[in-house]
Amino acid sequence: KQEVTQIPAALSVPEGENLVLNCSFTDSAIYNLQWFRQDPGKGLTSLLLIQSSQREQTSGRLNASLDKSSGRSTLYIAASQPGDSATYLCAVRPWGSGTYKYIFGTGTRLKVLA
Amino acid sequence: DAGVTQSPTHLIKTRGQQVTLRCSPKSGHDTVSWYQQALGQGPQFIFQYYEEEERQRGNFPDRFSGHQFPNYSSELNVNALLLGDSALYLCASSLGLTGTGNYNEQFFGPGTRLTVL
Repeated sequence: KQEVTQIPAALSVPEGENLVLNCSFTDSAIYNLQWFRQDPGKGLTSLLLIQSSQREQTSGRLNASLDKSSGRSTLYIAASQPGDSATYLCAVRPWGSGTYKYIFGTGTRLKVLA
Repeated sequence: DAGVTQSPTHLIKTRGQQVTLRCSPKSGHDTVSWYQQALGQGPQFIFQYYEEEERQRGNFPDRFSGHQFPNYSSELNVNALLLGDSALYLCASSLGLTGTGNYNEQFFGPGTRLTVL
C-alpha cells in the first residue's frame, strides 16, 4: 500500500533563505509525482509535475527532484519570500492498471518571515 | 480560461440531510476527480469520472455517489450526512487519456467547505 510522508510538518524561515521540502513514498512504482501549494482554506495550485522517467523539473524559483528508487522527492525554493508562505503538498499516482487516483502527503506548512 | 470551478463555496447542513456539490472542469479536460480534505490532512481520493463513468473509487461508503454529464461537468452527492463528513471537498480535472507532455496533471478548484451540524 502506497504511503506518502512529508517532513517537516511545519517550517519557519527568514526571508531570502533557500529551503528544501521533503516528500517520501513507500512504493517506487509510480506514474508521476506532483507538488502543490495550498493557501489556508483554499484549493490546490499545481506547482510542478515530474513524470516517473524524469529526474527533475524547474519553474522559476522552484526546483523539484525525483529519486524513484529511493522513494524520495524534494522541492527546492530559492530566495524565499513572505508570499511563499503556504502549505506544500506532494502527491503520487501509483503505477497499475486501473489506477488513476493520487495519494497525498499531509503537507509541510511553510512560514517565511519578513 | 476560467480554470476549475466549484459551487457552492460554503454549505451548512444538519446530520441526516443530503448534499450535492458541483464542479466544472478546466477547458479541454474530460476527467473529474473528487477529493475530501479534513482539517490538517492531505486530500483523500473519493472517485474519478471519465466518459460519464466512475472508473476508480477510493475507500468511501456508498453514501458518496457522483455523476458526470456530457459536457464533462460533475456532481458529488452525499446522503445521510454525518458530523465526520465536515471537510473541504475538492474537485480536480485532468485529461483522461495518456499522451506526451504533462498528461494527467491535475488542476484543482477552490473547493466547497461543507459543515455538518
